[in-house]
Amino acid sequence: QVQLQESGPGLVKPSETLSLTCAVSGYSISSGYYWDWIRQPPGKGLEWIGSISHSGSTYYNPSLKSRVTISVDTSNNQFSLKLSSVTAADTAVYYCARRTTVTTEYFHYWGQGTLVTVSS
Amino acid sequence: QSALTQPASVSGSPGQSITISCTGTSTDIGVYDYVSWYQQHPGKAPKLMIYDVSNRPSGVSNRFSGSKSGNTASLTISGLQAEDEADYFCSSYTSTSTVLFGGGTKLTVL
Repeated sequence: QVQLQESGPGLVKPSETLSLTCAVSGYSISSGYYWDWIRQPPGKGLEWIGSISHSGSTYYNPSLKSRVTISVDTSNNQFSLKLSSVTAADTAVYYCARRTTVTTEYFHYWGQGTLVTVSS
Repeated sequence: QSALTQPASVSGSPGQSITISCTGTSTDIGVYDYVSWYQQHPGKAPKLMIYDVSNRPSGVSNRFSGSKSGNTASLTISGLQAEDEADYFCSSYTSTSTVLFGGGTKLTVL
């Protein structure tokens, strides 16, 4: 069974960099699929942040592209998110997910989510 | 890129059917059959309910069905049950290799 687990600081100061890691179990990241980050501000909808393929290709939401970096660590079977220059608007529950692609597109497996609050 | 458009809320009585719409553009829903729907209960991660417009993953009730016409996709839930009360989000792949979500629809079972 594929499982994803987010980890990282729950509190980040304004202007600093938010860093999260998603540990994957039950499947080897290097074997395929796309690995995505999605966020949800409190009481609001989902926002796609970006993704990385098993081969390292990255795709980002144009509205966040200048501040986002997604990377993969195949040796530890995990991938990471860095979001720079954060503000209160970046406060959200951050989810990692596995996206099935190639003639289809959907998120079948999700992490439980981790709340990140941006505050001084 | 703007979010896909969903009604903020819908409601129905147990046993009834409801439909949630999701409107996009000719660069997302209108050009790809890559529409998916997610159910989210409070404090939980989203759960895949429909993919590729109308396909149900294993384990999802056949009371859930999806369709698409032009730039608008729809999720229909028949035989409403109390456990269906949740938020529902649509999603679509886009022509710029990105993913869009809808703003979400809160379903209330009366």
